[in-house]
Amino acid sequence: AQSVSQHNHHVILSEAASLELGCNYSYGGTVNLFWYVQYPGQHLQLLLKYFSGDPLVKGIKGFEAEFIKSKFSFNLRKPSVQWSDTAEYFCAVMSPGRRALTFGSGTRLQVQP
Amino acid sequence: NAGVTQTPKFQVLKTGQSMTLQCAQDMNHEYMSWYRQDPGMGLRLIHYSVGAGITDQGEVPNGYNVSRSTTEDFPLRLLSAAPSQTSVYFCASNSGYNEQFFGPGTRLTVL
Repeated sequence: AQSVSQHNHHVILSEAASLELGCNYSYGGTVNLFWYVQYPGQHLQLLLKYFSGDPLVKGIKGFEAEFIKSKFSFNLRKPSVQWSDTAEYFCAVMSPGRRALTFGSGTRLQVQP
Repeated sequence: NAGVTQTPKFQVLKTGQSMTLQCAQDMNHEYMSWYRQDPGMGLRLIHYSVGAGITDQGEVPNGYNVSRSTTEDFPLRLLSAAPSQTSVYFCASNSGYNEQFFGPGTRLTVL
């Protein structure tokens, strides 16, 4: 069975600091990888996705993620966070055999002005 | 397009009561899923469907039933509500091996 680990449960940063959130998955075959964001009181929105090709993918709002196949990792990065980035971030994978997502436990990001 | 819609937004039940959470999508997606979100546990898959008439269990299916009679609708039934089912429920849909679109969620409290 596939699983996703997010090692940072709660991250507190000051505005303009750089962000990196870790995500590791376990699955023996090819997967599609996603990062979703949930702003307070809202539903999940897609930040970015990786299917194939260039392992460095860019998403909305200045976020990017790098897929490292040898490490089964898909870490999320942003060079300079803003107060409006305060949210919960979820890493997820989708395997070919099931068209549904397996999520990590999420990382709550708090950006202080 | 309305995307994925869910009703109700909030619901309070007493232990033992039954109810149905509604989910509909207007994107003609063949795949639909139900998740529950609990603090510190992310989203966990309850049931999913790969097309009308076809459903399968996810990681936490106990206490829930689903059916898919049309492409658009995917209701989730709680047969006999328990306090452990207090959660936020999200419905999602997708086309193929692709990103899922999520509804706004239903916050359920079971007393």
